[in-house]
Amino acid sequence: AIQMTQSPSSLSASVGDRVTITCRASQDIRNKVGWYQQQPGKAPRFLVFAASGLQNGVPSRFGGSGSGTDFTLTITSLQPEDFATYYCLQNYNTPWTFGQGTKVEIK
Amino acid sequence: EVQLVQSGAEVKKPGESLNISCRGSTYSFNHYWIAWVRQLPGKGLELMGIIYPGDSDTRYSPSFQGQVTMSVDKSISTAYLQWSSLKASDSAMYYCARDGSGSHSDSYGMDVWGQGTTVTVSS
Repeated sequence: AIQMTQSPSSLSASVGDRVTITCRASQDIRNKVGWYQQQPGKAPRFLVFAASGLQNGVPSRFGGSGSGTDFTLTITSLQPEDFATYYCLQNYNTPWTFGQGTKVEIK
Repeated sequence: EVQLVQSGAEVKKPGESLNISCRGSTYSFNHYWIAWVRQLPGKGLELMGIIYPGDSDTRYSPSFQGQVTMSVDKSISTAYLQWSSLKASDSAMYYCARDGSGSHSDSYGMDVWGQGTTVTVSS
């Protein structure tokens, strides 16, 4: 199975900061990566498809990039509602696999 | 509105069987992969497997192969996750989610999620 190594596992940031989260795949997965946000006690929310496509309704401060093995989720100006845990998921082939998650906390 | 609605919380004893459900509405249920995702208390998301309702093609993640069974009833647009003999370590939140591609041969990402079903297994 393809492994997704996500980093960092947690970070502290302030409102207005720029935040970057990375995922590295264990093999070339083209652009088959999505990013998800999970707030405490809630179901995950789909943010980014195909590495860089913004899902409908997701604020433009979220952005994804990368291809091959290295992928990035960037939040350009962190808002209070963005404090959450973020996951990447590869859907290049089955079994689809998640990264370990990155918890974004308030500094 | 496209929705996945999951069955309610369950409290079971070790060794008991369990079937939880996920009903899709307002879309063509047969043509979208359904994924099941486990979240242990305080831990990350784990993809258990996926099932394509149109032909019941099922792909289990290795850790879950033989531990659970995924199935669908197309007539009522419902997917199921089943255990034959629960263990305490199965206590978790379980989510179903739809892959938004609408294709058996492609994947887009999980664009619609159920609200989750909490399973508690305790003697």
